[in-house]
Amino acid sequence: AQSVTQLDSQVPVFEEAPVELRCNYSSSVSVYLFWYVQYPNQGLQLLLKYLSGSTLVKGINGFEAEFNKSQTSFHLRKPSVHISDTAEYFCAVSAGGTSYGKLTFGQGTILTVHP
Amino acid sequence: DVKVTQSSRYLVKRTGEKVFLECVQDMDHENMFWYRQDPGLGLRLIYFSYDVKMKEKGDIPEGYSVSREKKERFSLILESASTNQTSMYLCASSSHFRGNTEAFFGQGTRLTVV
Repeated sequence: AQSVTQLDSQVPVFEEAPVELRCNYSSSVSVYLFWYVQYPNQGLQLLLKYLSGSTLVKGINGFEAEFNKSQTSFHLRKPSVHISDTAEYFCAVSAGGTSYGKLTFGQGTILTVHP
Repeated sequence: DVKVTQSSRYLVKRTGEKVFLECVQDMDHENMFWYRQDPGLGLRLIYFSYDVKMKEKGDIPEGYSVSREKKERFSLILESASTNQTSMYLCASSSHFRGNTEAFFGQGTRLTVV
């Protein structure tokens, strides 16, 4: 079984500042890792994913994440945030094989960007 | 553009009613999922299906059932709605094949049980 912990429930930040949203996971098998974003009253949209290969993954809207196997982390970063990045962000893991793409989610981090 | 469509954005139902939440995807995906989203708890898997007429329980199946009679459609059923089922419900679909494991989500149905 897998579990995901997002270490911050809320992150306030000023516009144009850098931001890091932290995610740790636990699993007894190799996993795929994802970050999703949810804007108010909408469904989830994929930001980026790690399946294999390079541990630095680039996604949409200038976001990137780094897979660290030894620390079982997959932190999300953006060097300069915009007001429009205000949303809730979810880290998720999926085991390969016969998991059928089931996702286990963290609790979510609400990012609020202030002018 | 790929699409997962949930039949209702908002629903208000009475305690004890039978409630159907419908989800349709147009991507020919094998896998479909129902998640429940509550503040501070993230998304939790209720049921999923990996093929027509096949279903498996997720982490919180109690009080729910599902139906998948056609590949593109996956229904969530609340047999007798209760107030603790007031929540946001999200449907998702994904493909079997490695390298294409992204799950696509619908807009969500916010269900209120009164």
